[in-house]
Amino acid sequence: KNQVEQSPQSLIILEGKNCTLQCNYTVSPFSNLRWYKQDTGRGPVSLTIMTFSENTKSNGRYTATLDADTKQSSLHITASQLSDSASYICVVSARKQAGTALIFGKGTTLSVSS
Amino acid sequence: DGGITQSPKYLFRKEGQNVTLSCEQNLNHDAMYWYRQDPGQGLRLIYYSQIVNDFQKGDIAEGYSVSREKKESFPLTVTSAQKNPTAFYLCASSIVGNDYNEQFFGPGTRLTVL
Repeated sequence: KNQVEQSPQSLIILEGKNCTLQCNYTVSPFSNLRWYKQDTGRGPVSLTIMTFSENTKSNGRYTATLDADTKQSSLHITASQLSDSASYICVVSARKQAGTALIFGKGTTLSVSS
Repeated sequence: DGGITQSPKYLFRKEGQNVTLSCEQNLNHDAMYWYRQDPGQGLRLIYYSQIVNDFQKGDIAEGYSVSREKKESFPLTVTSAQKNPTAFYLCASSIVGNDYNEQFFGPGTRLTVL
């Protein structure tokens, strides 16, 4: 069964600190993996997208890594800011005959406090 | 939210009533999607459409209906047959035929059944 598991479920850190969010998946055949940021009551916004051959991708203070062998991804946030408080969703795309299917993780809720 | 609008932002419905959620995009995307988001759960696909006048059921289509008469519009009707309609509804769009298949999300509609 195609699944995406994220950990931790929630996380509280102090402003300025770094943190790492984890995503493990059992999706086959794999197409790509993306991380989204979702502010409370808003739609998700894409942070990074990685295909099978990409090991790391950065977007400002956000750096995503992908290990396709172990089927793990991480999202590292550097020098956190209050505005980073949000839910971070890992989404894995599976190839299908009629295109691709997206499998969503439940998200990690990050709270950055001052 | 990038070119996708959803209305209304908040919607209240009495039991037994049908309601329609609006989704419009000006990104010239062929594909559009409707998702449902519940607390502590990943996004679940309700319906999707890859071309005008054609749409497919997602994982939880029961109690919902859609139409795609125009490329820009993909309204979702929540019928009285949907047993637990209170949720956050997200519309998304994407191009078709791209490996990345990045989906752009609207700001969402929160539906509450009274």
